[in-house]
Amino acid sequence: SQQGEEDPQALSIQEGENATMNCSYKTSINNLQWYRQNSGRGLVHLILIRSNEREKHSGRLRVTLDTSKKSSSLLITASRAADTASYFCATRGNQFYFGTGTSLTVIP
Amino acid sequence: NAGVTQTPKFRVLKTGQSMTLLCAQDMNHEYMYWYRQDPGMGLRLIHYSVGEGTTAKGEVPDGYNVSRLKKQNFLLGLESAAPSQTSVYFCASSDERGAHYGYTFGSGTRLTVV
Repeated sequence: SQQGEEDPQALSIQEGENATMNCSYKTSINNLQWYRQNSGRGLVHLILIRSNEREKHSGRLRVTLDTSKKSSSLLITASRAADTASYFCATRGNQFYFGTGTSLTVIP
Repeated sequence: NAGVTQTPKFRVLKTGQSMTLLCAQDMNHEYMYWYRQDPGMGLRLIHYSVGEGTTAKGEVPDGYNVSRLKKQNFLLGLESAAPSQTSVYFCASSDERGAHYGYTFGSGTRLTVV
């Protein structure tokens, strides 16, 4: 598969803890994007990091990108119950591929 | 500001029936996409369009047809539904292949083929 692969597939943490999700991909990319999907809803774009960037922040989100290892991580700090969702990475190269997602559960 | 609107939200079809899923966007995006989402498979691209009057095949186009007669609308058709097409279908739109702001998704259509 040319899709990104998220790791872990599922993650359960206590409210207030940090959550880290990883994404690995196979092909050269122009940018990598992270999306959130709440149960029964569409995907919502969270953050985009370009191939020449190494780190990007948006509120409680921190994304890193290592193009030499073809990997990215998404860190959510001080998690909240409302962060419970599935998180997908998507890679933009010649085509655009979504990974299979990490299911995050934040326990109040 | 509606973003991307999909209709219908739910549908049950019998094998062999046909239907059309409608996607409408109000962001003046050039690019539009249809995906299906199945458990453990992530999102897979069915068809996409890079502008009014254009369509192209994605990763899993068989059994589907699309049309983009107007810039704001992208229709997905199933001519003869099969149980393997039971899935959640998402429409998305973007500027310049999502280069700047990513994709905007609709809320999905849950289709069951019995």
